[in-house]
Amino acid sequence: SQQGEEDPQALSIQEGENATMNCSYKTSINNLQWYRQNSGRGLVHLILIRSNEREKHSGRLRVTLDTSKKSSSLLITASRAADTASYFCATEETSGSRLTFGEGTQLTVNP
Amino acid sequence: NAGVTQTPKFQVLKTGQSMTLQCAQDMNHEYMSWYRQDPGMGLRLIHYSVGAGITDQGEVPNGYNVSRSTTEDFPLRLLSAAPSQTSVYFCASRRDEKLFFGSGTQLSVL
Repeated sequence: SQQGEEDPQALSIQEGENATMNCSYKTSINNLQWYRQNSGRGLVHLILIRSNEREKHSGRLRVTLDTSKKSSSLLITASRAADTASYFCATEETSGSRLTFGEGTQLTVNP
Repeated sequence: NAGVTQTPKFQVLKTGQSMTLQCAQDMNHEYMSWYRQDPGMGLRLIHYSVGAGITDQGEVPNGYNVSRSTTEDFPLRLLSAAPSQTSVYFCASRRDEKLFFGSGTQLSVL
């Protein structure tokens, strides 16, 4: 079964707005990562947050992690049409080195 | 660096045929893996390898074989293709906990 579940499944916003995607997981983790996938392409790593971190920033990206609730959120500020893609969370469980992916959020940013 | 290279990009098979999906990386990463991506199911791990000569099963290994004779190459073999194996397959290598993905192989089994 999938470790991560993402919410919402699809999100449509206007350029300039902020986009927030959420990820919940089930077991203890070493880290949580977010990836981006443009249509027809492979996934690209965006940001990693470790289990002992609560918040991390990278450019227009802000990731939070709440290990007590087993959840994470990805915020994209001042969105652009080029941000249109699918976004996946992935967790590395403490029990092993495998990375398990959620089902993804499809983000559409309208110009 | 080319990164992770997958071939072919597209493939159509008939049920029962065999084929090998190729994956090569030029980043000298020890860890490599294969995922399949199906609509509404995200990515599921098929097999992975932590170094040459070492492979292990992921979440959905049935119907697939792998080997790792060199650090660079990690081929995925379908011994007898089934329609349930219609999917997009991604190879990925890993460094510093982050995965680097190839561009994928879209496989259809009729």
